[in-house]
Amino acid sequence: QKEVEQDPGPLSVPEGAIVSLNCTYSNSAFQYFMWYRQYSRKGPELLMYTYSSGNKEDGRFTAQVDKSSKYISLFIRDSQPSDSATYLCAIMMSNYQLIWGAGTKLIIKP
Amino acid sequence: DGGITQSPKYLFRKEGQNVTLSCEQNLNHDAMYWYRQDPGQGLRLIYYSQIVNDFQKGDIAEGYSVSREKKESFPLTVTSAQKNPTAFYLCATTAGSKNIQYFGAGTRLSVL
Repeated sequence: QKEVEQDPGPLSVPEGAIVSLNCTYSNSAFQYFMWYRQYSRKGPELLMYTYSSGNKEDGRFTAQVDKSSKYISLFIRDSQPSDSATYLCAIMMSNYQLIWGAGTKLIIKP
Repeated sequence: DGGITQSPKYLFRKEGQNVTLSCEQNLNHDAMYWYRQDPGQGLRLIYYSQIVNDFQKGDIAEGYSVSREKKESFPLTVTSAQKNPTAFYLCATTAGSKNIQYFGAGTRLSVL
């Protein structure tokens, strides 16, 4: 079993829909949780960073962490075609190394 | 790309050849990382360096080598021992107390 599981998709939704992207992890020692967005042939860019359980909101994006279930989510409201990208979850261990999910390819249809 | 420059953007390797990927940063960050990205597998750590003249192996270091002679530069050599080098290679640096990683634009390596 991988330490971080993420469905690779692709996930295709119509413009304006609410998108839910998810990762599960196995190691309860993980401390920090991040979501990165990666456009085709580009490097990943940080979207959201959170430590505690609960929700963190930034514009149309909400990151949710449930440490009891070892489950993290990224919600995108009012999705736009420009949101089409691969979304990677990353979890930081206590030694500051990152464990990455496989990435979910998201397609927003106009 | 936030001050992290990877070159070249595309690179082709002939069998038996060593090739070097460049990563330069002007952010004055101490730590630098090299990742390999294959479809459906996420990012896998090759090497990382937290200080000049010191570096550590990551999860998939076999067939790769690095140097860190300057704070700004962390080149990665893909040696002929790496039998499956075709991938997207990403360089990253970390910033701040939270050690958030910032990435370059990547180099796509293919085998001729």
